[in-house]
Amino acid sequence: EAGVVQSPRYKIIEKKQPVAFWCNPISGHNTLYWYRQNLGQGPELLIRYENEEAVDDSQLPKDRFSAERLKGVDSTLKIQPAELGDSAVYLCASSLDRRSYEQYFGPGTRLTVT
Amino acid sequence: AQRVTQPEKLLSVFKGAPVELKCNYSYSGSPELFWYVQYSRQRLQLLLRHISRESIKGFTADLNKGETSFHLKKPFAQEEDSAMYYCALSEMEYGNKLVFGAGTILRVKS
Repeated sequence: EAGVVQSPRYKIIEKKQPVAFWCNPISGHNTLYWYRQNLGQGPELLIRYENEEAVDDSQLPKDRFSAERLKGVDSTLKIQPAELGDSAVYLCASSLDRRSYEQYFGPGTRLTVT
Repeated sequence: AQRVTQPEKLLSVFKGAPVELKCNYSYSGSPELFWYVQYSRQRLQLLLRHISRESIKGFTADLNKGETSFHLKKPFAQEEDSAMYYCALSEMEYGNKLVFGAGTILRVKS
């Protein structure tokens, strides 16, 4: 079992450029989470999906961030345009369903915006 | 608003010494608390949850509602316990939305 897969693992871009992150959850997991982790802080939830429906995106900066989970499996998180303050680790996690207490995390994508 | 506080950024202890990683929370409802751990070059993973009341890798944590605390304890630290530890609170009525503390680095010295 590969676990949650994320790509790329590292990304360096200049400000104002677009960037996208991809996540493949554990097979059979219906719930998918995107978190952002700033340096020295714990992960903060950006958006949560139940199958293909975004059920909690209250923390997603909608002016520049977008996400999708087509067919309720893989998910993509996009930032356009990126700002210096977006430098962080972006984590994807999945769980069996919304009532499952354990979330399984991917390795994360470290984004550096210069 | 819900909040999780881990007052120590770094806790350094000698091998064999007792360990206590502090976690305090604020939440108006009935919380579900967790400890997640991240070992060097590994993914963030669940260590334990308060409802299970079990010991994992020698660690235990008791939920104290009066003091709104969920401290993680181990009587005898081992070098392999060195890692980053995050306390997290779940709002289960919203589908397991986790709120994390800032984390504590545990360093066990030989």
